[in-house]
Amino acid sequence: GQNIDQPTEMTATEGAIVQINCTYQTSGFNGLFWYQQHAGEAPTFLSYNVLDGLEEKGRFSSFLSRSKGYSYLLLKELQMKDSASYLCAVRDRTGANNLFFGTGTRLTVIP
Amino acid sequence: DSGVTQTPKHLITATGQRVTLRCSPRSGDLSVYWYQQSLDQGLQFLIQYYNGEERAKGNILERFSAQQFPDLHSELNLSSLELGDSALYFCASSVEGQGITSTDTQYFGPGTRLTVL
Repeated sequence: GQNIDQPTEMTATEGAIVQINCTYQTSGFNGLFWYQQHAGEAPTFLSYNVLDGLEEKGRFSSFLSRSKGYSYLLLKELQMKDSASYLCAVRDRTGANNLFFGTGTRLTVIP
Repeated sequence: DSGVTQTPKHLITATGQRVTLRCSPRSGDLSVYWYQQSLDQGLQFLIQYYNGEERAKGNILERFSAQQFPDLHSELNLSSLELGDSALYFCASSVEGQGITSTDTQYFGPGTRLTVL
């Protein structure tokens, strides 16, 4: 089976940096995805990691450590529009290579 | 805009009724996935189709069924609806959906909000 854990809520200040952690347990790890979801809207793809290390994409970066079953999403220069839920999802070979989502971290950016 | 379309955007119906949700994948994508998201819940995978055939099943109730047509659009049928079926239903698509290409990414449609009264 798959077990994915993220903090439920976080608050950060506009202009600051925030790190959202995700830990996972899965038997057939085949990649980790981060999605952003504004309330009532579709999840939108942010980043993907399959090898250990940091992937940088503008203000967003994602890190993966496969040996620790750990990833984080780093958001820099926070903007008010970054207030959203951030979903960590793991692809599992033993689960037909489908994505298994955590419950998401609701980030609130305050002025 | 992800390129995935879903209709209708909103659906209000009564308990015991049956509804059909429709999804058109991005051009070139062969796999379609259906997810359910209840209030304050995570995305729950329901079912996946690849090139017209069912490929994987998740937590899909027996009252629910889906199919993918030759033009690759998909429909999710929900029957004998209960109050607890009220949720956002998302469709996603990806190029191949078999994990052959590790970067195969799912792109989500705007969702259908189902309210069962």
